[in-house]
Amino acid sequence: AAGVIQSPRHLIKEKRETATLKCYPIPRHDTVYWYQQGPGQDPQFLISFYEKMQSDKGSIPDRFSAQQFSDYHSELNMSSLELGDSALYFCASSLKTLAKNIQYFGAGTRLSVL
Amino acid sequence: EDQVTQSPEALRLQEGESSSLNCSYTVSGLRGLFWYRQDPGKGPEFLFTLYSAGEEKEKERLKATLTKKESFLHITAPKPEDSATYLCAVRPGNTGKLIFGQGTTLQVKP
Repeated sequence: AAGVIQSPRHLIKEKRETATLKCYPIPRHDTVYWYQQGPGQDPQFLISFYEKMQSDKGSIPDRFSAQQFSDYHSELNMSSLELGDSALYFCASSLKTLAKNIQYFGAGTRLSVL
Repeated sequence: EDQVTQSPEALRLQEGESSSLNCSYTVSGLRGLFWYRQDPGKGPEFLFTLYSAGEEKEKERLKATLTKKESFLHITAPKPEDSATYLCAVRPGNTGKLIFGQGTTLQVKP
């Protein structure tokens, strides 16, 4: 079965640079979620989109923005990168109309800011 | 405030030694409690979802149970391949996001 696809898998950036992370949800899933997981930490919710509209917002810095496109893929744009942004970034997708609304996660993008 | 606390932080078992992982939660309007397995450097893998107190789910050597305040993940006769971090998460009633606990890192030695 198709899973959530994230790209790139690894990304190395310098401070103050920008980065774009991409997420392709499971086919027919209409909701995308972004989470940040620091070293040894639990995943922290950043933002989510349902049918291309922002549905929830968590602890996402103002330097970050995200959107969901007409094909349901999503991109997380990160600007003015800081050392503390180094983390694993996970995307998850779900089918909101299903009562269980289970979130399935991708393999993540490991971002290293030097 | 919605919160999830898992214990213990780390657990070392011998192969075949059964045990339980705990997940205590406080949440406004629980709309689901989720168990995930996470291997190092990988994304969380969905295991179970529970919705109401008294509910139980089983899958191979794992069994998840739910009360009004906590959930347990019981591991029966674990094998080395069960070694991973097990994450518990809750979905509050007014949002679709998941709130995760810190996880329990399980190591099963042969």
